[in-house]
Amino acid sequence: EPEVTQTPSHQVTQMGQEVILRCVPISNHLYFYWYRQILGQKVEFLVSFYNNEISEKSEIFDDQFSVERPDGSNFTLKIRSTKLEDSAMYFCASSYTGQSNEKLFFGSGTQLSVL
Amino acid sequence: AQSVAQPEDQVNVAEGNPLTVKCTYSVSGNPYLFWYVQYPNRGLQFLLKYITGDNLVKGSYGFEAEFNKSQTSFHLKKPSALVSDSALYFCAVRDPYNTNAGKSTFGDGTTLTVKP
Repeated sequence: EPEVTQTPSHQVTQMGQEVILRCVPISNHLYFYWYRQILGQKVEFLVSFYNNEISEKSEIFDDQFSVERPDGSNFTLKIRSTKLEDSAMYFCASSYTGQSNEKLFFGSGTQLSVL
Repeated sequence: AQSVAQPEDQVNVAEGNPLTVKCTYSVSGNPYLFWYVQYPNRGLQFLLKYITGDNLVKGSYGFEAEFNKSQTSFHLKKPSALVSDSALYFCAVRDPYNTNAGKSTFGDGTTLTVKP
């Protein structure tokens, strides 16, 4: 089965630094998503992206966050100035139609640690 | 607002025994319900979903789940557990009137351990 890939698997950064998390969605998928999971907490929706623009975002996704599809394959999440509370596992996901009855394909995640 | 609860952090079963991982949900109207599994160092993988129709849904790896509207539950089951089923299981709910496939609400996850 095709896979979503994420790099790096672990990222350690200092508070206040910028980080970019990278994802390669499944090649024919059109809808892309970022989720995060703080240790011991729920998986939380951050943002969805379609046709080169954000289609929906959660209240977590504030001005410190941005997403981009810089080329035909990559989908990135940037955190401009990291805070301690940004430490979490970040999952990228993709789907083909974006319909609410469609399953999502997830990457294996990037564990972000902000020191 | 939609929500989902997985009341058990951990479920332990012996290999060969039946397993149940519980999930209850809250959503206005009829829900779309999903189960995902996460193996160590891997992303969440889709197991099965309930959209409409038959309340018993069959999925990957011999898993099934039963949608119970009156109890607002969608418990994951397998008749005979394998050691390789040991993983973290997530239940997710989606409001069918929200056209955004990605905006699912996930449970906290249940760690299933199957002992030989």
